[in-house]
Amino acid sequence: QSALTQPASVSGSPGQSITISCTGTSSDVGSYNYVSWYQQHPGKAPKLMIYDVSNRPSGVSNRFSGSKSGKTASLTISGLQAEDEADYYCSSYTTSSTWVFGGGTKLTVL
Amino acid sequence: QVQLVESGGGLVQPGGSLRLSCATSGFTFIDYGIHWVRQAPGKGLEWVAFIRNDGSNKYYADSVKGRFTISRDNSENTVYLQMNSLRPEDTAVYYCARRSAYCTGNSCNSFDSWGQGTLVTVSS
Repeated sequence: QSALTQPASVSGSPGQSITISCTGTSSDVGSYNYVSWYQQHPGKAPKLMIYDVSNRPSGVSNRFSGSKSGKTASLTISGLQAEDEADYYCSSYTTSSTWVFGGGTKLTVL
Repeated sequence: QVQLVESGGGLVQPGGSLRLSCATSGFTFIDYGIHWVRQAPGKGLEWVAFIRNDGSNKYYADSVKGRFTISRDNSENTVYLQMNSLRPEDTAVYYCARRSAYCTGNSCNSFDSWGQGTLVTVSS
């Protein structure tokens, strides 16, 4: 149950787009389309942003989108805004009937 | 609205025990599985355990298997996490999270609602 691999940090200017990658193995990301993404502001609980690779829950801005190729999933945020500055985590269901998170990525809006 | 409220955290010595509670409201509890997820200070999220809606199946991370037990009381709309043989590396904020209502077929593998967390500190 090793954590999924995410970059420690990414940054972008307001209005730009950024992409956060999430790399797993054939036992998790590569086996299922059950990757989800969470946004966490300091001191707050995580918030679901994307489920099942590319689906947005109701109420989440369409500036957030997800995709997957092989063992790597990606979260793209377009039209960056100051309030997007947060930590982002990916998660995947696994072949062991468990779940695994990525190590997290700190997004800085310059 | 959907609410999950954790309680029971605190300071415990290594080797000790603690029971966390996750009280829920705002949804039909018996229809949903519940997860526990933890976050060590300054670190990332770690999935801990899951219990199905009817309590028939339970799943654990390797790091807690044999030490932690998840259970639920459907009459009280509450999920519990019994933590035994606690270690310093179990120090974390523990969140309960609802198995998502966003599903593909019968598979619902995200976490759509979270509590505010309860801090567990394991230290002598």
